[in-house]
Amino acid sequence: NAGVTQTPKFRVLKTGQSMTLLCAQDMNHEYMYWYRQDPGMGLRLIHYSVGEGTTAKGEVPDGYNVSRLKKQNFLLGLESAAPSQTSVYFCASSYSGQRDGYTFGSGTRLTVV
Amino acid sequence: AQSVAQPEDQVNVAEGNPLTVKCTYSVSGNPYLFWYVQYPNRGLQFLLKYITGDNLVKGSYGFEAEFNKSQTSFHLKKPSALVSDSALYFCAVRDSRRGGGADGLTFGKGTHLIIQP
Repeated sequence: NAGVTQTPKFRVLKTGQSMTLLCAQDMNHEYMYWYRQDPGMGLRLIHYSVGEGTTAKGEVPDGYNVSRLKKQNFLLGLESAAPSQTSVYFCASSYSGQRDGYTFGSGTRLTVV
Repeated sequence: AQSVAQPEDQVNVAEGNPLTVKCTYSVSGNPYLFWYVQYPNRGLQFLLKYITGDNLVKGSYGFEAEFNKSQTSFHLKKPSALVSDSALYFCAVRDSRRGGGADGLTFGKGTHLIIQP
């Protein structure tokens, strides 16, 4: 009963480095989301996907790319990390996207120095 | 556009007293409303939701929320607070008129709930 699993849990990057955050869900959910959480700002949507092979931009997409090659996985990439991308990143999934609540992963704490 | 506001950064309540965490929203259509709780160093956990029907919604851990359309509010309540309720609480909204159903919930900034023994 894993739900939504995020890897890694922690990471420190140097400015300009790249990395990929992995999100995996085992609930056969169609919809998946990447949010970032910053103090006093709540959660802001970066990108989302409505199904395998689809992606779309959210509220704060700049500096990030995503891919959904398999239904169960949603990858978030940072091509050239910047200090402004220091944040806690959460992945979430949902069955219908409309009326269902989301299931969240436990988060990835990323620090860019 | 859809938006949600949580006017209080922090709410302090004595254990055993009733608690209320406030949330107001703005949408052009009908709202789908959600409450989530986040414990330290954890992801968000779903508490309850309002989609349609009864204005009083019951959820996990003894929490409930009241939907008030005229005041565009969805306040979270609990009759008797526990120390273990101390956490960060988020209200979220989705406008039923947004097509596709998938472009994400909009979250408030969160309210720290502190229950004092």
